[in-house]
Amino acid sequence: AQSVAQPEDQVNVAEGNPLTVKCTYSVSGNPYLFWYVQYPNRGLQFLLKYITGDNLVKGSYGFEAEFNKSQTSFHLKKPSALVSDSALYFCAVNNFNKFYFGSGTKLNVKP
Amino acid sequence: ETGVTQTPRHLVMGMTNKKSLKCEQHLGHNAMYWYKQSAKKPLELMFVYNFKEQTENNSVPSRFSPECPNSSHLFLHLHTLQPEDSALYLCASSQDPIGRTAAYGYTFGSGTRLTVV
Repeated sequence: AQSVAQPEDQVNVAEGNPLTVKCTYSVSGNPYLFWYVQYPNRGLQFLLKYITGDNLVKGSYGFEAEFNKSQTSFHLKKPSALVSDSALYFCAVNNFNKFYFGSGTKLNVKP
Repeated sequence: ETGVTQTPRHLVMGMTNKKSLKCEQHLGHNAMYWYKQSAKKPLELMFVYNFKEQTENNSVPSRFSPECPNSSHLFLHLHTLQPEDSALYLCASSQDPIGRTAAYGYTFGSGTRLTVV
């Protein structure tokens, strides 16, 4: 079965510290990988994607993600967190033109 | 604004009511989707429309009835809902439902927060 796992319901980090939001996937083939962010009372906004090429992709707001094929992971990272980064983050996989979303990870960045 | 507009933003309805959710996009996209978002659960794909034709129905109960009159508008008609249907309903669109969609991703609306009482 195709699935996307975000093992942490919540991640807490102090402002200025690096952050990591984890994502692993289980799909057949070579999927396309995405991260979306959702602010309160808003829809999901595209952050970044991996299609092919360099395993480290850079996206909006200083975020980046590293694709690791052997570990089937696509963790989201940022070197220095901001309070305004606090939101709900979704990992998604597109495989054979179907999207599979994780359950989301709430990121809390404290001043 | 993302270019995908959903109305209303909030809706409270009784179990015997009939209401409709509306989604509108003017991005030139040809595929539209309804998703259900419940707390701590993966987004659940409900319906997919490609070029106004329904191409996917993920075993959604018949109390949810979608309608896509054209490529820019998508409705979700609701009747005799249950309290467990309370959730955030998200509409999304994508540029091309075939092949290239995978690389472009989706554009989401802000959602309708539905509460069934």
